[in-house]
Amino acid sequence: EVQLVESGGGLVQPGGSLRLSCAASGFTSSNHFMHWVRQAPGKGLEWVSRINPDGSHTTYADSVKGRFTISRDSAKNTLYLQMNSLRAEDTAVYYCARVGRGTYYFYYGIDVWGQGTTVTVSS
Amino acid sequence: DIVMTQFPLSLPVTPGEPASISCRSSQSLLHSNGNNYLDWYLKKPGQSPQLLIFLSSNRASGVPDRFSGSGSGTDFTLKISRVEAEDVGVYYCMQGLQTPLTFGGGTKVEIK
Repeated sequence: EVQLVESGGGLVQPGGSLRLSCAASGFTSSNHFMHWVRQAPGKGLEWVSRINPDGSHTTYADSVKGRFTISRDSAKNTLYLQMNSLRAEDTAVYYCARVGRGTYYFYYGIDVWGQGTTVTVSS
Repeated sequence: DIVMTQFPLSLPVTPGEPASISCRSSQSLLHSNGNNYLDWYLKKPGQSPQLLIFLSSNRASGVPDRFSGSGSGTDFTLKISRVEAEDVGVYYCMQGLQTPLTFGGGTKVEIK
């Protein structure tokens, strides 16, 4: 079964750090673009970051640029999000997600999502 | 950044009746490869988002055929031919043309 399982969320003080992990199973995550998307309480979906299949290119939302780092470990089939200098506005459920791929199109949407991990930034 | 605007914000629906959600982008989502990079996602309470439609009109695997997507350029529509009770939740359009990926504000579909 194709699955993404996030971990690493929790309660952290403003200015603190957390590292989120996203373990992939049932597929090789390094064959796919991967994203982190978050949803703050009562708010909509917000894209956070993306990494390309070989890990050589990363992009970030302006709101997290310089504070968050996305990375992947192909051997462990795992995606990471290192979050530093956390702020109250980073409080959200964080989802890792996979961009689908196939034989006809270049893009198949974000077709697999993890269950999410909750990050709460509060003193 | 591409701004995505959805309407309506809230959509009360009657089971068995059709429903329609609109999404507009601040710039064209038409790629040089001829595809419009517009997706539709459904977020049910307590669940992860799920892909319904990719590239404007392609149903994702396992999505019932009562869901359909259309549109090109800057104007897109998601239609549900006959709403079922399980379709309640918040629907989001999202542009996948360029980063930052951006989502519409969401349309909350609820049963009347």
